Amino acid sequence: KAGVTQTPRYLIKTRGQQVTLSCSPISGHRSVSWYQQTPGQGLQFLFEYFSETQRNKGNFPGRFSGRQFSNSRSEMNVSTLELGDSALYLCASSLGGGEGQPQHFGDGTRLSIL
Amino acid sequence: AQSVTQPDIHITVSEGASLELRCNYSYGATPYLFWYVQSPGQGLQLLLKYFSGDTLVQGIKGFEAEFKRSQSSFNLRKPSVHWSDAAEYFCAVGARNAGNMLTFGGGTRLMVKP
Repeated sequence: KAGVTQTPRYLIKTRGQQVTLSCSPISGHRSVSWYQQTPGQGLQFLFEYFSETQRNKGNFPGRFSGRQFSNSRSEMNVSTLELGDSALYLCASSLGGGEGQPQHFGDGTRLSIL
Repeated sequence: AQSVTQPDIHITVSEGASLELRCNYSYGATPYLFWYVQSPGQGLQLLLKYFSGDTLVQGIKGFEAEFKRSQSSFNLRKPSVHWSDAAEYFCAVGARNAGNMLTFGGGTRLMVKP
C-alpha cells in the first residue's frame, strides 16, 4: 500500500511569490492534516480537512490556506511568501472522521524562501 | 489548550543500554497520546499510541510507553538501544473533540554511541 505522497519534495521561491503544495493520502484515508516544521517553532498544526471540509485550523495567518478534493487529495497554498515561511511542510493522513486517530506522515516538502 | 513538554533536547546512550525519553503534557482531560520518530530528511513514523485502557502500551521496534495520569506523563522506553534508533523523537497530544489535530513537543534528539 502506497504511503502519503507529497510533491514536490523541494521548492525554492522568492519573497512575495505564492506556492502550492500537494498531498496524496493513503488510499482509503479521508482525513488530511498539514503541519509546518521549523527549527525555531518545531511542529505546528496548520489545518485538517475531512470530506472536503476544513475541520480544524491552527494559528496561522490567512496567507495559509488549503483545500481537499473529492478523491481526498489535498493542496495547501501560501500567498505572499515571507522569509519566515521557509520550513518543512508535512502532510498526514488518517482513516476516517473520528478523533485522535493515528496519522501517517509523508516525507514533506522543503520550502526555501530567498 | 493542550501543551507538551519534552525536557531533554538531546540524549546520548551507548548501544545496548536502556533508554527512557520523557514527555509531560498539559490537558484538562485524558488526551490521546502518541510517540513519533523522525529520521533525517524524512517524515514522522508512528511508534505507538495511547487512547484508553491499559496504561502500558507496546509499539513497533521494541518501544513501549507508560501513561501516568497522576504525573501527566507518557514516557517512552526501550530496554536495549540499537544504533539504528538514532533519530529525533516527538511526543504528541490529541485533544478530545478536536478531530485529528496534534500538538507536538519540541522533540528529543537521540544519539547512540557504539
